[in-house]
Formats: sequence, C-alpha cells, structure tokens
Amino acid sequence: DAKTTQPPSMDCAEGRAANLPCNHSTISGNEYVYWYRQIHSQGPQYIIHGLKNNETNEMASLIITEDRKSSTLILPHATLRDTAVYYCIVRVARSGYALNFGKGTSLLVTP
Amino acid sequence: GAVVSQHPSRVICKSGTSVKIECRSLDFQATTMFWYRQFPKQSLMLMATSNEGSKATYEQGVEKDKFLINHASLTLSTLTVTSAHPEDSSFYICSATPRTSHTDTQYFGPGTRLTVL
Repeated sequence: DAKTTQPPSMDCAEGRAANLPCNHSTISGNEYVYWYRQIHSQGPQYIIHGLKNNETNEMASLIITEDRKSSTLILPHATLRDTAVYYCIVRVARSGYALNFGKGTSLLVTP
Repeated sequence: GAVVSQHPSRVICKSGTSVKIECRSLDFQATTMFWYRQFPKQSLMLMATSNEGSKATYEQGVEKDKFLINHASLTLSTLTVTSAHPEDSSFYICSATPRTSHTDTQYFGPGTRLTVL
C-alpha cells in the first residue's frame, strides 16, 4: 500500500467547508484512495473512495489531482458531529486484506 | 445496510480471567473479518485476520494462544482474550467486507472497551 501523509490536525468553523488534504506521491495505477473517519470511542466509518475521477456521495466529496499524487476530502458544510480523526488510505481494492491506518488528521469543528 | 455489531460494548474483568468478544455482520456475509486494537491516543493496529472455516492469521507480536479467534460462520467471528492482564486493556474493533463487494469497502463494528483490573 502506498504511503500517505496528512496534517496531524485541522480546525474548521461549523457550517463552513472542511478540506482535508492527503499526499500519496507513490500511488500506483491500480491503487484506490479511501477515506474513513473515527469519532471518539467509536469504530471507524467509511466515507468515500475513488480511483482517478472525483467522487461525491451524501457525506463528502473526493477530489483527486490529475497526477493522482494527492487528494482532498471535502465536507461541504461541517457540523460539530464531524469532529473526528480522518484517515486517508491508499491501497489496491482486494478482498481479504486489512486496512493500514496511519495517524490521520484530527478535525475539530468549532461553533 | 452493511452493519457490523460487537458485543459487549464494554467489559471490566479481573486479571487472569478470560473475555469473549463477538463480532457479527448483521446484513451481509463476510468470508474474512479483521480484528484491530487501539490504545489511547494511538491509531488502530491490526491484530489478526479471521477467515471463515480456517485458522486466523496473526500479526507479528500478537500471541495466538492468548488471543483466540474463532470464525465459525460467515456472519460471526469471536475474539477471546485469555488470562487477561491490565496491559490487555484496550479498545478492540472488528471489521468485515461483504462477500459480494466489488469495492473492498470495510465496515467496522462499534468497538469493545476492555478494562482489566
């Protein structure tokens, strides 16, 4: 799995967009970018994933640069409940293999 | 859909006793389930990979005789912490991927907080 780099922490005002960056300069052509988050004392929650096209679902948008060496997770209107640790994970989509969690970005949404 | 449950959510036990944690996929079948643990202020660390009908695969440094894993069906995996000690106190989390998934998305249980006195 390709290595990822994320800022350790970020703040965002409630109602504003939260843009969480992730660098993955060694990503291979068949590796996907996955985002998960973990709210305190809960299990991680899947957010979104993508290969090379931008993706959007009910939770967030994922913007992947054309060279695929970095990506940004966007929470369009952050709420206090979005306060969590966000993990960017790059890996081949293959069943039967665990996720390799790094340190992630601790996002604090403030009133 | 794709819900994973764990039971119990919280357990306190005395040193030397054994504790069983159950992980169930409620609305899908999972050939493989994973067990992680998380110490305070740290990230999740994989303990073992649990395969239905076969022996679990343990990560380096995880004692297989201490952390017994049974994956008896496509919807249930159990982790038994034997002869628990205070250093085993941690947050234990399981995950699973639907057998029919094409995207390899993993779904996590809510976790079990184990405190060993």
